[in-house]
Amino acid sequence: GAVVSQHPSRVICKSGTSVKIECRSLDFQATTMFWYRQFPKKSLMLMATSNEGSKATYEQGVEKDKFLINHASLTLSTLTVTSAHPEDSSFYICSRSTGNYGYTFGSGTRLTVV
Amino acid sequence: GEDVEQSLFLSVREGDSSVINCTYTDSSSTYLYWYKQEPGAGLQLLTYIFSNMDMKQDQRLTVLLNKKDKHLSLRIADTQTGDSAIYFCAESLSGNTGKLIFGQGTTLQVKP
Repeated sequence: GAVVSQHPSRVICKSGTSVKIECRSLDFQATTMFWYRQFPKKSLMLMATSNEGSKATYEQGVEKDKFLINHASLTLSTLTVTSAHPEDSSFYICSRSTGNYGYTFGSGTRLTVV
Repeated sequence: GEDVEQSLFLSVREGDSSVINCTYTDSSSTYLYWYKQEPGAGLQLLTYIFSNMDMKQDQRLTVLLNKKDKHLSLRIADTQTGDSAIYFCAESLSGNTGKLIFGQGTTLQVKP
């Protein structure tokens, strides 16, 4: 089946630092990938759509300068949380279309900002 | 606007059937999905149904769609302890933009 690898699975960082999360499509190329954020006991909210070779499309209310997305190759999209604050602590998950009307998700990254 | 609602918690005994319900508001949904999330893990696609279908069965899973009432349900037959997880329903909107609207998730607790 489709495989999406996300790294790291857990990260703890200090306030004010930046954290990069990687999302890799291991089985086939992905021109588009999606980044979601999940709050505790809440649903997943789409943050942005990552487009290979062009700018990401951000959802309303998501700060572009805060959550930098880079999709430099057909197999890798990265999300960088810049100048992280405790309120950025969350579970971040990437996904990719399977091309068969479904979406495959990575295993997620638990970010804790202290 | 787009909204997907689920009950938050369901507890069943092992061997019983579980029924998780979901309602949605956007009538332009093309596909509706059920995902399973185990603690600390990503989402695993369980099944999906196209919006012009009423029912889909896949082994122990049965999905029912009432498009008129915008109601989706997932039935798990012979529920096992390994089925304990959070179950999310999600809809994708017309245009296949990749944006999924998720419900809040239903925590299924299976008691031995």
